[in-house]
Amino acid sequence: NAGVMQNPRHLVRRRGQEARLRCSPMKGHSHVYWYRQLPEEGLKFMVYLQKENIIDESGMPKERFSAEFPKEGPSILRIQQVVRGDSAAYFCASSPFNSYNEQFFGPGTRLTVL
Amino acid sequence: AQTVTQSQPEMSVQEAETVTLSCTYDTSESNYYLFWYKQPPSRQMILVIRQEAYKQQNATENRFSVNFQKAAKSFSLKISDSQLGDTAMYFCAFMKKEGTSGTYKYIFGTGTRLKVLA
Repeated sequence: NAGVMQNPRHLVRRRGQEARLRCSPMKGHSHVYWYRQLPEEGLKFMVYLQKENIIDESGMPKERFSAEFPKEGPSILRIQQVVRGDSAAYFCASSPFNSYNEQFFGPGTRLTVL
Repeated sequence: AQTVTQSQPEMSVQEAETVTLSCTYDTSESNYYLFWYKQPPSRQMILVIRQEAYKQQNATENRFSVNFQKAAKSFSLKISDSQLGDTAMYFCAFMKKEGTSGTYKYIFGTGTRLKVLA
């Protein structure tokens, strides 16, 4: 059973460009969570999605950031008009249930904004 | 608001020795889970151990064990017989259920960088 997949692993963008980060959850997992890790910090919750629904986006900046988890295909975290402060590692996690069960993390995408 | 505090930014330990990483948290909830994650240079988040708050018995996983003091809101990680492969960032995390949305989400501490010396 393959783990959580994220691509790309590294992404470099210039200020003002768009960044698209992809996450394929583990097989059988319909709950996806995105976290952001700024340099020298712990991971911080951004958004929680189920198939075709955003359940909780309380940790996601209101502007420029959006997320989706379509019926078919991976979950996508999109950052429009990136700024230097968006440089971070973005982790996706998945779980079979929204409960106290462990969330399984992908390897992360390191975004660098020049 | 729930918080997780790791007061030791960096620690080092000699190979084969024992080290304890500290973590405190703040919550008014009675039901929650606590976790320790390891993040090696590859950045992959690896679950080390977890503890259910309703269980009084401390969790153990091979060389890793916790000292869970619920009243003191303390959750320290003990690594016995340290190995070079234990060198990594270690994050303490609290899992809470968000009241309005019902989301189960991690609250992470800022991490402790552990270096195991040969």
